[in-house]
Amino acid sequence: DTAVSQTPKYLVTQMGNDKSIKCEQNLGHDTMYWYKQDSKKFLKIMFSYNNKELIINETVPNRFSPKSPDKAHLNLHINSLELGDSAVYFCASSQRLQGISEQYFGPGTRLTVT
Amino acid sequence: QQPVQSPQAVILREGEDAVINCSSSKALYSVHWYRQKHGEAPVFLMILLKGGEQKGHEKISASFNEKKQQSSLYLTASQLSYSGTYFCGTSGGYAGNNRKLIWGLGTSLAVNP
Repeated sequence: DTAVSQTPKYLVTQMGNDKSIKCEQNLGHDTMYWYKQDSKKFLKIMFSYNNKELIINETVPNRFSPKSPDKAHLNLHINSLELGDSAVYFCASSQRLQGISEQYFGPGTRLTVT
Repeated sequence: QQPVQSPQAVILREGEDAVINCSSSKALYSVHWYRQKHGEAPVFLMILLKGGEQKGHEKISASFNEKKQQSSLYLTASQLSYSGTYFCGTSGGYAGNNRKLIWGLGTSLAVNP
């Protein structure tokens, strides 16, 4: 059974389009995250939800909007895609808050904007 | 402040040892270590908490020096499977402020036969 799953695995789209990435975890964790990993491998946290409440909202363009319909799901919607949005996006979850609990990562979604 | 990892890259022969360091300019509450293989997601290795003990499993262990605000990851008798990028993440400096990890830039480790 997959612990943290993401769809799609690959996403190729043109500039200006809107796209969504979905994430689900079956670990019963309270906290979920979205990360962006660029070509230089830097892991940048974008958002974090704890029990459906947004607790971390880093400086990302407001074209990015997370939505957590329930504790097990955290989706990421991106409007007006730009070339610089090309990256691998990871979803992750943890039982407790990030600083004190191990995180389980999904397999990643490789987004390519042309 | 982003923790500083050193070295940036290391190449080993199978069976050799390596140490990866993670230093912060701020007081730390916890240090996390993850390994990411090429094309895969990061995988948790261990957490070290302030006041806690040195952690380890198999041939990978880590220490946390609270006074120096740094942690070291020790890989002994390296195996080919140890290859990947190692990230440290830090949170600090008190138990109530554990909402966010700050990640280092990673250390690339290659183990050759």
